Amino acid sequence: QSALTQPASVSGSPGQSITISCTGTSSDVGGYNYVSWYQQHPGKAPKLMIYEVSNRPSGVSNRFSGSKSGNTASLTISGLQAEDEADYYCSSYTSSSTLPLYVFGTGTKVTVL
Amino acid sequence: EVQLVESGGGLVQPGGSLRLSCAASGFTFSSYWMSWVRQAPGKGLEWVANIKQDGSEKYYVDSVKGRFTISRDNAKNSLYLQMNSLRAEDTAVYYCARGLGGIAVVVIDYWGQGTLVTVSS
Repeated sequence: QSALTQPASVSGSPGQSITISCTGTSSDVGGYNYVSWYQQHPGKAPKLMIYEVSNRPSGVSNRFSGSKSGNTASLTISGLQAEDEADYYCSSYTSSSTLPLYVFGTGTKVTVL
Repeated sequence: EVQLVESGGGLVQPGGSLRLSCAASGFTFSSYWMSWVRQAPGKGLEWVANIKQDGSEKYYVDSVKGRFTISRDNAKNSLYLQMNSLRAEDTAVYYCARGLGGIAVVVIDYWGQGTLVTVSS
């Protein structure tokens, strides 16, 4: 069983924009608009940042945006701030018979330079 | 305010058992799917199990099928995870989480702070 594929690390300077990719298959990312993104600071629980590809929960900064093209989803953080330094995980519902019903990405460490 | 508070973690020997609990508040517990998600030390997130609002449907990741049982008590606003035949690879922080969806969980929106389970002799 394989998780969704994310880059291990992405970095940027304050004020810049960065994009994190999340690659799956037609059975998960490509097949449904059920991609979510989570932010996790060290020692803390994950926090939902984006759901259903591009929707932001109440209270999440509009500097965070999501999109999808084919089997790859993306999270963009604009106007990068020091507090954005964290691990980010994508997730998706999946209908694959070889994967769990809910699959996470491998995770991306975002570093603010 | 949605709150999920896990308890029951600890150190257990390989082959042993442990029961995790999660106390939910701030929302109508019986109206939501609930999930357990785990994270091994220094590793990524792994979905473990889902349970439907009325407990009639339960789903598990293959690695825990036959060993773990998810259950809920809507009268007590509580979620449980009975873990048997524990292995070293089950060592992780276990998160209780709320799921959104109709026939399945399509997004997990709230998470507890987690409880650490360590399987070691």
